[in-house]
Amino acid sequence: EVKLEESGGGLVQPGMSVKLSCATSGFTFSDYWMEWVRQAPGKGLEWVAEIRNKANNYATYYGKSVKGRFTISRDDSKSIVYLQVNSIRSEDTGIYYCTEGFAYWGQGTLVTVSS
Amino acid sequence: DVVLTQTPVSLLISLGGQASISCRSSQSLVHSNGNTYLHWYLQKPGQSPQLLIYQVSNRFSGIPDRFSGSGSGTDFTLKISRVEPEDLGVYYCLQRTHNPLTFGSGTKLEIK
Repeated sequence: EVKLEESGGGLVQPGMSVKLSCATSGFTFSDYWMEWVRQAPGKGLEWVAEIRNKANNYATYYGKSVKGRFTISRDDSKSIVYLQVNSIRSEDTGIYYCTEGFAYWGQGTLVTVSS
Repeated sequence: DVVLTQTPVSLLISLGGQASISCRSSQSLVHSNGNTYLHWYLQKPGQSPQLLIYQVSNRFSGIPDRFSGSGSGTDFTLKISRVEPEDLGVYYCLQRTHNPLTFGSGTKLEIK
């Protein structure tokens, strides 16, 4: 059974940093591209970042609103994908989902940006 | 960036009825490899999105044949026949052909 579990969310002050993690199991993690998607309260889905697999040189891509502030990374030995969020803003508030190639999704972790 | 325009914004459908959702793209979603990376998702209240249809018309594992996808190029449709109570939620289309990846703004399905 494929499982993805996000963690690391919580209340964060504007301008600070937070690192989200997504632990996975049930599939060969190293073979797959991994994504982060977020959803602001009451809003739609927004793609945030992608990291490809070793065969694709671990290439990374970002949405325009987060480029330069967010960093996606992965640890294939632990089957975990990360999202480092720097210089966080109020508009970054929302649920952050990790997904394996957009097929399987975690339950999300809530990040609230507030002073 | 590719803009996906979903219509209608909301749908009110009777149990057993049929729903149709349109997703129109601002540019062709045919990838250079010949594939079209247009997918459909349902987000039920309080849940994560779930994949229904991938690459225009392929049902994901466990998805009933009441759900069907069609279209090509810039114009795509999701049809739900024999609507059931568990079909309520927000439907999204997603394109993975072009970076940045983009979602449609969603269509809320309510049951009469």
